[in-house]
Amino acid sequence: AQSVTQLDSHVSVSEGTPVLLRCNYSSSYSPSLFWYVQHPNKGLQLLLKYTSAATLVKGINGFEAEFKKSETSFHLTKPSAHMSDAAEYFCVVRGFYGGSQGNLIFGKGTKLSVKP
Amino acid sequence: DSGVTQTPKHLITATGQRVTLRCSPRSGDLSVYWYQQSLDQGLQFLIQYYNGEERAKGNILERFSAQQFPDLHSELNLSSLELGDSALYFCASSVEFRYTFGSGTRLTVV
Repeated sequence: AQSVTQLDSHVSVSEGTPVLLRCNYSSSYSPSLFWYVQHPNKGLQLLLKYTSAATLVKGINGFEAEFKKSETSFHLTKPSAHMSDAAEYFCVVRGFYGGSQGNLIFGKGTKLSVKP
Repeated sequence: DSGVTQTPKHLITATGQRVTLRCSPRSGDLSVYWYQQSLDQGLQFLIQYYNGEERAKGNILERFSAQQFPDLHSELNLSSLELGDSALYFCASSVEFRYTFGSGTRLTVV
């Protein structure tokens, strides 16, 4: 079965410092991977997606993620955090087969706090 | 506005009652998905429809049902509600690898 594991439930950074949110995936096939962000009391917004093109994917708001097959990782990074980045971030894999085909399978989320 | 519309935004109801959540997908998207987000379970896939037909089922309780109508809007019916059904319910629509989420319906069962 396909799955994603977000390695940190909570990450705290200072404004202006780099952000690293870690995600490992499990898939027997070449996966399609996404990062979504959810601000408090808001819906889910797509940050970026990987669908087997370039391994370094650039998203909105300065975020990017690198697909590393050898490490089965898809970590999300940003060079400099802003206060507005404080939110919950979800790593997501698209189901490939069986009852999961086409569905999005979510990780448990990483809550990002940004200190002034 | 994401293009996916969910109504109502908030719903408060009593245990044992039945509610209907509605979702209008993004124009042109044939697939609709329902997800439940709760504190203890995270984001869980419930059910998927494609062009009016059920495509896949996830962790959906027997007390819950859904359908997609000819105009492609979808409804999620929750019956015999329990306190544990309190959650944020998201609808998403998709075409190929583009998934768009609605802003959700927050259900509170008291």
